[in-house]
Amino acid sequence: SQQGEEDPQALSIQEGENATMNCSYKTSINNLQWYRQNSGRGLVHLILIRSNEREKHSGRLRVTLDTSKKSSSLLITASRAADTASYFCATGGGGNTPLVFGKGTRLSVIA
Amino acid sequence: GAVVSQHPSRVICKSGTSVKIECRSLDFQATTMFWYRQFPKQSLMLMATSNEGSKATYEQGVEKDKFLINHASLTLSTLTVTSAHPEDSSFYICSAPGPYQETQYFGPGTRLLVL
Repeated sequence: SQQGEEDPQALSIQEGENATMNCSYKTSINNLQWYRQNSGRGLVHLILIRSNEREKHSGRLRVTLDTSKKSSSLLITASRAADTASYFCATGGGGNTPLVFGKGTRLSVIA
Repeated sequence: GAVVSQHPSRVICKSGTSVKIECRSLDFQATTMFWYRQFPKQSLMLMATSNEGSKATYEQGVEKDKFLINHASLTLSTLTVTSAHPEDSSFYICSAPGPYQETQYFGPGTRLLVL
């Protein structure tokens, strides 16, 4: 089953602009993670934010978490063409449990 | 970081044949591995949890007799698609929990095309 929705489903921006993707989930969580998938490839872990954290940064990535609204956002600043990929939020994954993914956002960064 | 490999990366087969996909953790041990299926422009859907030394746990709606899973060692899980049909054509991805925290490491995926 899938945890929830992500929006937008697809996003097209110019290089240098910021990209914001949102994720909602349904159940209580210990953490929320964001993964990136290049076309036809496996997933790469980007960042993990714990339920007691509200914001986290990693390079050009900024993730926020609002547990009261059961939502998270991923911001990519100063986007590059190489950021073109699909981005998924996921919950679970602790204690040898599987991840449950959102539907994903397909990001296209145009040079 | 931890590396997970999958083999083959791409396979084309005739309807009715069986296809085996291997998932290996290269530099760490994984008592548990997960198998996901992804259709074009869709998200990953969990198929089953592979457990070393015991039977796999399948998600609702996934036929265990069609998708055979064997976790033969602490570094290898295999998924065999038996009597494959065109509707089984998909992207199959495995993952394994890393040595630390809750992150998982994904294989590069196997694209299966059944003609």
